[in-house]
Amino acid sequence: AQSVTQLGSHVSVSEGALVLLRCNYSSSVPPYLFWYVQYPNQGLQLLLKYTTGATLVKGINGFEAEFKKSETSFHLTKPSAHMSDAAEYFCAVSDTGDDKIIFGKGTRLHILP
Amino acid sequence: SAVISQKPSRDICQRGTSLTIQCQVDSQVTMMFWYRQQPGQSLTLIATANQGSEATYESGFVIDKFPISRPNLTFSTLTVSNMSPEDSSIYLCSVTGGPGGYTFGSGTRLTVV
Repeated sequence: AQSVTQLGSHVSVSEGALVLLRCNYSSSVPPYLFWYVQYPNQGLQLLLKYTTGATLVKGINGFEAEFKKSETSFHLTKPSAHMSDAAEYFCAVSDTGDDKIIFGKGTRLHILP
Repeated sequence: SAVISQKPSRDICQRGTSLTIQCQVDSQVTMMFWYRQQPGQSLTLIATANQGSEATYESGFVIDKFPISRPNLTFSTLTVSNMSPEDSSIYLCSVTGGPGGYTFGSGTRLTVV
């Protein structure tokens, strides 16, 4: 069964610094991988997803993630953090892209002025 | 991508009562998924609902507590039965409109008093 591990329930970075949120997955087949963002008291918003093809995926708001099969990782990065990036970030995996999607426990990103 | 209408958006219920949450999709979908997001937590899959068959429940969730109906390819309901304060959560439905194309409802914020 697929699973997701997000390292660090809380991550703090200074405004303008690099954002790195870590995600490792477990899947018996080539996975579909997702990053979602949730702002306080709001719904889920898809940041980006990996299905097939290019392993470096670019998303909204300047975020990108790289699928590394050898490391079973899908870490999320952004070169320069902005105060508006403060939110909860969820990594998720699906075995087939049409089946259930399983979420990690989430990482709360704090931006320091 | 599919559009989901989820009702109610929020409710406050007395313990011991039941609440039925509805999800209407604007297109036919094979599978619908129901999730729970407890306060400050990630999304946990409750069950997968296929039209014409019994829902498949994840470990820790049972049909008596969370009965699901799926009468056609565009509609599903989740009932939270015999509620206790521990059931206070956001409940969301989700569908996939193609490989990796997941859509989430806006959620039902349930408070049990």
